[in-house]
Amino acid sequence: AQSVSQHNHHVILSEAASLELGCNYSYGGTVNLFWYVQYPGQHLQLLLKYFSGDPLVKGIKGFEAEFIKSKFSFNLRKPSVQWSDTAEYFCAVNGGTGGSYIPTFGRGTSLIVHP
Amino acid sequence: EPEVTQTPSHQVTQMGQEVILRCVPISNHLYFYWYRQILGQKVEFLVSFYNNEISEKSEIFDDQFSVERPDGSNFTLKIRSTKLEDSAMYFCASSEAAPLFNRPNTEAFFGQGTRLTVV
Repeated sequence: AQSVSQHNHHVILSEAASLELGCNYSYGGTVNLFWYVQYPGQHLQLLLKYFSGDPLVKGIKGFEAEFIKSKFSFNLRKPSVQWSDTAEYFCAVNGGTGGSYIPTFGRGTSLIVHP
Repeated sequence: EPEVTQTPSHQVTQMGQEVILRCVPISNHLYFYWYRQILGQKVEFLVSFYNNEISEKSEIFDDQFSVERPDGSNFTLKIRSTKLEDSAMYFCASSEAAPLFNRPNTEAFFGQGTRLTVV
């Protein structure tokens, strides 16, 4: 079955530290990839998306993600986190060979940034 | 900025009772979705809706669930006889177009969620 894995469930960092959150998917074929963020008490917001073209995608608030097709990965990165980045981060994927247009979500990673 | 709105933000109900969760999608969007997230677990797809009918549904979306677009703006999820295991955060989402390959404006926009607690 098609699945999305986020291996880091909880990440705790100090401000200015670098961040990398892992996302792997099991879909074959062409996929669309998303990272969503959910700040405390707020709704899911799109951070960035990949449909085609440059595999290094830049999103809002200094986030970027790199699509590595050979590794079935779409890891999220930020060179220097801030306290305001404390949130839940979700990777989502749709498409794939025989897949659906409905985005499938990973379990999420809870990020806490200490000031 | 247009947004998806959901009401209520919190709902507590007794087991066996019916609940209706309400959503107002973004006005020019055509595709609507319900997801749920049980505490500590992943965000799970329930159902998608297009052109006044269900286009896809998951195994979770059994006969106790139903969706409706009663007018031009609301999109509702009804749970007929709630069970303890229905306690979760329910998210509504909408998209301008179906997420097909290489098409822009296909990402889903989410509401803030309704936290349903069944006691």
